[in-house]
Amino acid sequence: EADIYQTPRYLVIGTGKKITLECSQTMGHDKMYWYQQDPGMELHLIHYSYGVNSTEKGDLSSESTVSRIRTEHFPLTLESARPSHTSQYLCASSEYRGTGGDEQYFGPGTRLTVT
Amino acid sequence: QKEVEQNSGPLSVPEGAIASLNCTYSDRGSQSFFWYRQYSGKSPELIMSIYSNGDKEDGRFTAQLNKASQYVSLLIRDSQPSDSATYLCAAGYPMGSSNTGKLIFGQGTTLQVKP
Repeated sequence: EADIYQTPRYLVIGTGKKITLECSQTMGHDKMYWYQQDPGMELHLIHYSYGVNSTEKGDLSSESTVSRIRTEHFPLTLESARPSHTSQYLCASSEYRGTGGDEQYFGPGTRLTVT
Repeated sequence: QKEVEQNSGPLSVPEGAIASLNCTYSDRGSQSFFWYRQYSGKSPELIMSIYSNGDKEDGRFTAQLNKASQYVSLLIRDSQPSDSATYLCAAGYPMGSSNTGKLIFGQGTTLQVKP
């Protein structure tokens, strides 16, 4: 059973505000990921981390930033929210299995609306 | 060419029938493959992983992998209306790749099971 948590689950915020989306996992997984997904559309990887103090940009350019100071915590920050940031943000984590691709477990997501 | 391709559907099957979902991938180096189920408005849930050629069964689900044809499929037996969801196929990057651990997701196939 995957234990990965995201807060808030829903957020409506005005343009220009700074926001931080929280993601925590209790499985001790080294790897964590942030995806962005619009309704009915594909998953896009925006950030990932292979461990503490490791962060990389994903395949989709994003104005957000991430940090990984603790294994279990991988927050995503938008310094100045814009309506174009309206989307669902999904956090995932995985454990290294040595097969090239790992089983990723997703949190419940944060649905962000910027007005 | 997308690296992981799925027919977006919708695939419509009657209740009790076998649903067959298909996926092709372009990188022969991929060694790990995953099927996720995503209900509308929810996050993806891992339902099957497969690493070797052949079939892998788990309850009503069977994953099939054919590396020579670069083809992965998911069969759902005795389909139920509760199986109605979008099914995402994912492939892992090859071992030794700088992207190890990351997954390449297809766009998903929408399954509708009609009572």
